[in-house]
Amino acid sequence: ELKVEQNPLFLSMQEGKNYTIYCNYSTTSDRLYWYRQDPGKSLESLFVLLSNGAVKQEGRLMASLDTKARLSTLHITAAVHDLSATYFCAVGYSGAGSYQLTFGKGTKLSVIP
Amino acid sequence: ETGVTQTPRHLVMGMTNKKSLKCEQHLGHNAMYWYKQSAKKPLELMFVYNFKEQTENNSVPSRFSPECPNSSHLFLHLHTLQPEDSALYLCASSQVGQSKLYFGPGTRLTVT
Repeated sequence: ELKVEQNPLFLSMQEGKNYTIYCNYSTTSDRLYWYRQDPGKSLESLFVLLSNGAVKQEGRLMASLDTKARLSTLHITAAVHDLSATYFCAVGYSGAGSYQLTFGKGTKLSVIP
Repeated sequence: ETGVTQTPRHLVMGMTNKKSLKCEQHLGHNAMYWYKQSAKKPLELMFVYNFKEQTENNSVPSRFSPECPNSSHLFLHLHTLQPEDSALYLCASSQVGQSKLYFGPGTRLTVT
């Protein structure tokens, strides 16, 4: 059974600071996603990482993937309040008859002034 | 309407009621999904439909009954639910064989 673990689950950080969210998964996968969810809203896809060493950046967020360590990181640079949300990583695998995603529990990020 | 829409957005029902959740996607996708999001638990995949055919039932209790009349519409029929079924129910769609999911806004369900 594929397991996906994120840490931390809760993160309170000051504006302007840097921090990293970690996502570990238990079995081989060919892709990893990061999603963002604002309170009361749906999940928005941020990044998809397809290969070992892949790095993607969008604004103050940078995601990377190490398939050998089965680890992905989401690095936040110089946090701003607008980044406050819950961030999920999800690992893709081929299930019976369909391609599926297994999600982590999410990291609730609060950026405070 | 664009993307994935869900109705209703909020639903309160008693344990003896019967209700249905509706999802519609406007993206031309051919795979649709139901996920359950409970407090303190990861998103749980419930059902998958590819080209209107159910390909995955993730050990979901029979009080949840999905229906997919065509590739654009997905329903979740609810009956005799339990309070622990209270959660956010998310619909998603994708192209078959592609893993990038597009999510709807969800239905917040409260069972009293």
